[in-house]
Amino acid sequence: DSGVTQTPKHLITATGQRVTLRCSPRSGDLSVYWYQQSLDQGLQFLIQYYNGEERAKGNILERFSAQQFPDLHSELNLSSLELGDSALYFCASSVAGVTGELFFGEGSRLTVL
Amino acid sequence: AQSVTQPDIHITVSEGASLELRCNYSYGATPYLFWYVQSPGQGLQLLLKYFSGDTLVQGIKGFEAEFKRSQSSFNLRKPSVHWSDAAEYFCAVAAPILTGGGNKLTFGTGTQLKVEL
Repeated sequence: DSGVTQTPKHLITATGQRVTLRCSPRSGDLSVYWYQQSLDQGLQFLIQYYNGEERAKGNILERFSAQQFPDLHSELNLSSLELGDSALYFCASSVAGVTGELFFGEGSRLTVL
Repeated sequence: AQSVTQPDIHITVSEGASLELRCNYSYGATPYLFWYVQSPGQGLQLLLKYFSGDTLVQGIKGFEAEFKRSQSSFNLRKPSVHWSDAAEYFCAVAAPILTGGGNKLTFGTGTQLKVEL
């Protein structure tokens, strides 16, 4: 158990819909990272938050957005879903950036039909 | 921008045999280097990391990796593989930006390890 909690574990929805994925980082970790894992793209960095502020942005689509709340949990919002958005979405947390260890949750598997 | 290449998509070894997984990185200076393992249905777990100093680093589960600047490589090794080591292994690189600053791990495409009994 990494201490990072992601919900839901599985989600099936239709094209055009909107979903929210939730991540609770390990206690005390200020940084939250979101990654997308798919067969064709591999592990792609989406976005990083540190203590509520966006700090780094990767290959995140405009249809996707994220935020980190004062209690440090984070949400990834995916809208106008397309078939290609089907993937495993991971959240990871660390005490202070990548110099330390990133602890990964078990992921949220999104299937868009 | 940093990048990492794992040239082997699949590797099969016999239990008890030695293992070496290859990783090559691209970065202008010495980056931070990592190996993570992902078991089926699980998130990623850190095996080991290299920031500076001794180029041979020891990790968990009996794994080690050697940083070779001249070859831009950070290969993962284990002297004797156990059936429970079957998993997918990811090499990752990060620019050495410190605390709180925006940064990210860039992962390779992974190597799937199969262990034959």
